[in-house]
Amino acid sequence: GAVVSQHPSRVICKSGTSVKIECRSLDFQATTMFWYRQFPKQSLMLMATSNEGSKATYEQGVEKDKFLINHASLTLSTLTVTSAHPEDSSFYICSARVPDQYNEQFFGPGTRLTVL
Amino acid sequence: GQNIDQPTEMTATEGAIVQINCTYQTSGFNGLFWYQQHAGEAPTFLSYNVLDGLEEKGRFSSFLSRSKGYSYLLLKELQMKDSASYLCAVKNSGGYQKVTFGTGTKLQVIP
Repeated sequence: GAVVSQHPSRVICKSGTSVKIECRSLDFQATTMFWYRQFPKQSLMLMATSNEGSKATYEQGVEKDKFLINHASLTLSTLTVTSAHPEDSSFYICSARVPDQYNEQFFGPGTRLTVL
Repeated sequence: GQNIDQPTEMTATEGAIVQINCTYQTSGFNGLFWYQQHAGEAPTFLSYNVLDGLEEKGRFSSFLSRSKGYSYLLLKELQMKDSASYLCAVKNSGGYQKVTFGTGTKLQVIP
């Protein structure tokens, strides 16, 4: 199957700093990627849909100025958590859909963010 | 909007069969996924249904009834490694066909 990678896998930062998370499709081009957040013992919550070459589409309640998404190429989307606070600590997961194969969505391994 | 419901937890015995139900309400349905997720890991794909009926894949089967807004995941010959969360997710028919997840069902397989 298609492979999606994320970097870093784990990050610890101080409150007030910004953190960038990368999501890459390794063996296919993804015009659309999705960013999810998962708090402990909860399911995945869709944050935004990342579209190559255009602005991301954010879900209701997600602050677009706090969670900056850039989908600069067909293989890379980045999520920047700006001015991170402890409540932003979570598991962030990206996914990408293989073009013309809408039956499956491939997930990255996730990034564990801890804000002190 | 979408509303997806699953039982929170289930327990089953090794070697047995377990059925995990999922009901959904959506304004535009374009397919339903089942994913498995072990603690601390990303979800892995199990199945996809877009038409009514049963899809069988080894020990796992998934059923869909679009008219009832209902799906189930059937796991046979349970193994200890099947202990995980099982996520039902619905794909929207609009725009970017985004996928929305249910709350997940945590399955514990006991000896």
